Amino acid sequence: GENVEQHPSTLSVQEGDSAVIKCTYSDSASNYFPWYKQELGKRPQLIIDIRSNVGEKKDQRIAVTLNKTAKHFSLHITETQPEDSAVYFCAAGRTSGTYKYIFGTGTRLKVLA
Amino acid sequence: DGGITQSPKYLFRKEGQNVTLSCEQNLNHDAMYWYRQDPGQGLRLIYYSQIVNDFQKGDIAEGYSVSREKKESFPLTVTSAQKNPTAFYLCASSIDPGQGFRGYGYTFGSGTRLTVV
Repeated sequence: GENVEQHPSTLSVQEGDSAVIKCTYSDSASNYFPWYKQELGKRPQLIIDIRSNVGEKKDQRIAVTLNKTAKHFSLHITETQPEDSAVYFCAAGRTSGTYKYIFGTGTRLKVLA
Repeated sequence: DGGITQSPKYLFRKEGQNVTLSCEQNLNHDAMYWYRQDPGQGLRLIYYSQIVNDFQKGDIAEGYSVSREKKESFPLTVTSAQKNPTAFYLCASSIDPGQGFRGYGYTFGSGTRLTVV
């Protein structure tokens, strides 16, 4: 079946360093790839997304890259801050047909001050 | 509270009981979803609905039931057939991408934590 693999499951970085989280999807028809941040005890919040017609998207310290051929996409956080500590989920889905996303298993990011 | 409300925040179920989790949205979203979140397992899809009076099973539908009688509401019933119901349940909604994709993704509710006692 369709699945999304996400790595690593936990990631610790020093404040100011960069963090990279990688996802691989199996459904070649996926064309929308959102990233969600979930702080402890709170709901997931959309932080950035990318569609398959672009290879990279950036929003301040956050960027997402997509390699459609390899079916990989990654989240890059630069100049990490303690408030970036959270669980991050990637997802893959289609914008037509069945409107559901397949989520990765999550990455717990800890930014050490 | 973000346009999508889940209640209750905490729920305790006795063995053999059915319980219903509420999810209401005022975002005029067509699609609604229920996910279950367990530690280390990410978000797993239970049921989803793209339109009123229609819903589809997700990956782990066994032991759950839903209804979609109104666009705004998508309640989830955890039946006694669900043997391991203790989890965090998240409801979400989205604009129907078929009506013109806007890239907003899902809006999540704040969740219901269900515990079997």
